[in-house]
Amino acid sequence: DAKTTQPTSMDCAEGRAANLPCNHSTISGNEYVYWYRQIHSQGPQYIIHGLKNNETNEMASLIITEDRKSSTLILPHATLRDTAVYYCIVRGTNTGNQFYFGTGTSLTVIP
Amino acid sequence: GAVVSQHPSWVICKSGTSVKIECRSLDFQATTMFWYRQFPKQSLMLMATSNEGSKATYEQGVEKDKFLINHASLTLSTLTVTSAHPEDSSFYICSARGLADGPYEQYFGPGTRLTVT
Repeated sequence: DAKTTQPTSMDCAEGRAANLPCNHSTISGNEYVYWYRQIHSQGPQYIIHGLKNNETNEMASLIITEDRKSSTLILPHATLRDTAVYYCIVRGTNTGNQFYFGTGTSLTVIP
Repeated sequence: GAVVSQHPSWVICKSGTSVKIECRSLDFQATTMFWYRQFPKQSLMLMATSNEGSKATYEQGVEKDKFLINHASLTLSTLTVTSAHPEDSSFYICSARGLADGPYEQYFGPGTRLTVT
């Protein structure tokens, strides 16, 4: 599976949009981009995933560049409860394909 | 969304004893379950992939005789830490995928905190 690169940490003001970047320059054509987050001492929580089109759900938006080498997760109005470590993962679609977690981005939402 | 549970949520055991952790998919059938370990301030590390009815596949460096995995049904996988030592103290997390191929997300359990004294 392709490796991903994310900034170690980011801050965001409460109520503002949080934009979390991820580089996945070696992604292959059948690999999807997934975003999860982990609040301290909890299991990871699914946020969103996509292949090449931009995606939006009730939690976030996912913007994938046309060459698919990078993506951005957008939390439109960050709250204090969005403080967490955010992981960007790429993976193929077979049932045995695993998620390998990188170091993620530690997002701190500041009041 | 689908729910994955783990039991117990935390456990303390003495060095040399064995501990079993259960992972259940509550509202879907999981062909494949995964076990992760997470040390403080570190990312999740995949330990093994477990397919229902077959032997687990362990990641490089993970001792299969120490971390016994059983996936006896489509809704239950267990991880047994045998002869636990203090260095096995960690946060153990399982995840599960459904039956079909496709871009389906994995659902993660809440984790089990193991402390070996």
